Amino acid sequence: KAGVTQTPRYLIKTRGQQVTLSCSPISGHRSVSWYQQTPGQGLQFLFEYFSETQRNKGNFPGRFSGRQFSNSRSEMNVSTLELGDSALYLCASRGYGEGPLRNEQFFGPGTRLTVL
Amino acid sequence: AQSVSQHNHHVILSEAASLELGCNYSYGGTVNLFWYVQYPGQHLQLLLKYFSGDPLVKGIKGFEAEFIKSKFSFNLRKPSVQWSDTAEYFCAVNAPGSGGGADGLTFGKGTHLIIQP
Repeated sequence: KAGVTQTPRYLIKTRGQQVTLSCSPISGHRSVSWYQQTPGQGLQFLFEYFSETQRNKGNFPGRFSGRQFSNSRSEMNVSTLELGDSALYLCASRGYGEGPLRNEQFFGPGTRLTVL
Repeated sequence: AQSVSQHNHHVILSEAASLELGCNYSYGGTVNLFWYVQYPGQHLQLLLKYFSGDPLVKGIKGFEAEFIKSKFSFNLRKPSVQWSDTAEYFCAVNAPGSGGGADGLTFGKGTHLIIQP
């Protein structure tokens, strides 16, 4: 099975711009979660999508949004970029079936976003 | 909301030394516990997980962790480390069904482990 894929792998933007990141989950996985990783704050949960609906949300401002398509692929959008948004953005997918294995998440390689 | 604390931010060991990385979480309800590893230049990989049952769980590459509910701890151990264990290690917890962001993983800040040959 192919793993979680994220595009692009690297991105450079300037303050005030917006950016869209893409994530394709493992085939058959219907849940996609997004995380932000920075040296100062570590890994922080952004939100999770399941069946095209946002199911859970972390503590991030409204500039961070996402969506999920019918094929489970997900996009994350950040508007009005700030310097502090520079980070590695990770996507994770899980099977969301019955039982405890629904909680096992598989991570992609991430998109490195640099805001200048 | 739950939180995760990893006590050691940087650990340096020699090959063949024993390893124990501390992890404590704060949440009063049922939790699932994980250890992830991030090797240099690679993405996060699951080392091991605890959902229920035997509190001593074994993972890949000789790692194990013990869940001690009374101490809210889930420490990672390995009896003899190798140079290839050099990586960043993250402890994580989620609280399924508790709503809000709790179904997502809450991570500790990570421990940077360096194994000297």
